[in-house]
Amino acid sequence: GDSVTQMEGPVTLSEEACLTINCTYTATGYPSLFWYVQYPGEGLQLLLKATKADDKGSNKGFEATYRKETTSFHLEKGSVQVSDSAVYFCALSKTGANSKLTFGKGITLSVRP
Amino acid sequence: EAQVTQNPRYLITVTGKKLTVTCSQNMNHEYMSWYRQDPGLGLRQIYYSMNVEVTDKGDVPEGYKVSRKEKRNFPLILESPSPNQTSLYFCASSLFARDRGFGYTFGSGTRLTVV
Repeated sequence: GDSVTQMEGPVTLSEEACLTINCTYTATGYPSLFWYVQYPGEGLQLLLKATKADDKGSNKGFEATYRKETTSFHLEKGSVQVSDSAVYFCALSKTGANSKLTFGKGITLSVRP
Repeated sequence: EAQVTQNPRYLITVTGKKLTVTCSQNMNHEYMSWYRQDPGLGLRQIYYSMNVEVTDKGDVPEGYKVSRKEKRNFPLILESPSPNQTSLYFCASSLFARDRGFGYTFGSGTRLTVV
């Protein structure tokens, strides 16, 4: 079945450091790919998405490019802030009777001042 | 404000006592779904609904029931809760049932503890 694999965490960075969170997927067909963010005590929020190969999703300084050849969707940010501290989930969805999201396990990012 | 509203936010209950977690969305979304989030397991789908009166099982449906009598509401029912259903539950909705590109809007979550 479909699956999403995220790098092991947690990740701790200093403010203004560069961030890369790896995500790879296994799926048949042509899934859409997403990054969701969960701030402490809150629900998940859509951070960015890409619906086809070579698409780049971007939002709030975060970027991710849909790489079909490597089945990857790595999340990047050039300069993280303390307010970016959260749990980040990579996910995929396919067209069909149940357009469910298949999630990775999530990774906790802590940014220290 | 467009949102998915879950209630309650926190619930502690005893084994076997029936409970309902409510979910309501105000965006006229077709698709609604319930997930549970457990440490080390990420989020797993419990049930989903393509539209009114259309529901089906997700990956972990055992011990749960749902109904979709109105488009905006999708309650999650635990007829006889057990401790292994202690978890963080999220309701989510999406505009179209069959379109993979929209992503979901999530509720704020319900933390359920069954003792």
